[in-house]
Amino acid sequence: GNSVTQMEGPVTLSEEAFLTINCTYTATGYPSLFWYVQYPGEGLQLLLKATKADDKGSNKGFEATYRKETTSFHLEKGSVQVSDSAVYFCALSDRRGSGGSNYKLTFGKGTLLTVNP
Amino acid sequence: DVKVTQSSRYLVKRTGEKVFLECVQDMDHENMFWYRQDPGLGLRLIYFSYDVKMKEKGDIPEGYSVSREKKERFSLILESASTNQTSMYLCASSLGVKTQYFGPGTRLLVL
Repeated sequence: GNSVTQMEGPVTLSEEAFLTINCTYTATGYPSLFWYVQYPGEGLQLLLKATKADDKGSNKGFEATYRKETTSFHLEKGSVQVSDSAVYFCALSDRRGSGGSNYKLTFGKGTLLTVNP
Repeated sequence: DVKVTQSSRYLVKRTGEKVFLECVQDMDHENMFWYRQDPGLGLRLIYFSYDVKMKEKGDIPEGYSVSREKKERFSLILESASTNQTSMYLCASSLGVKTQYFGPGTRLLVL
């Protein structure tokens, strides 16, 4: 079946440091890939996504490139801020079940990022 | 903006009680999902629904049921709550293959 493996963390960085959170996946088809972020006390928000190989998703200074050859979708940011402290989830979408449009997400276990001033 | 709301942010229940968690979305999305989130395990799909009155089991459906009588509302039911169902419950909705939008979550404690 499909699976997502991401760096477990926790990751602790100083402000303005470079961030990488590794994510690799196993999938039978051609999934779309996502990074979601969960700020303390909140639900998940989509951070960025990529729908096909070599696509780069970007948002709020974060980037990730869909690498089919290495089955990876690593999250990067050049200079983190205290406000980036959150849990980051890598996920892939695949089609599941008998309905015509029911796509589900498979999540990694999440990586807690803490950024210190 | 898409809005997904959940009926409670925090809930405390006793073992054996029947528990209802409600989720409402305002964007006419066909797909709705219930996940639970536990430390070290990430998010796990309990049930999902791709249309009114349609439901399918996710990865961990045991001990749960769901109801979708109207398109905008998706309820998660714990028929007889147990302590191992203490968790954060997250509802999400989506339109086809597009982004899933999440609610703020319900933190359930079963004593």
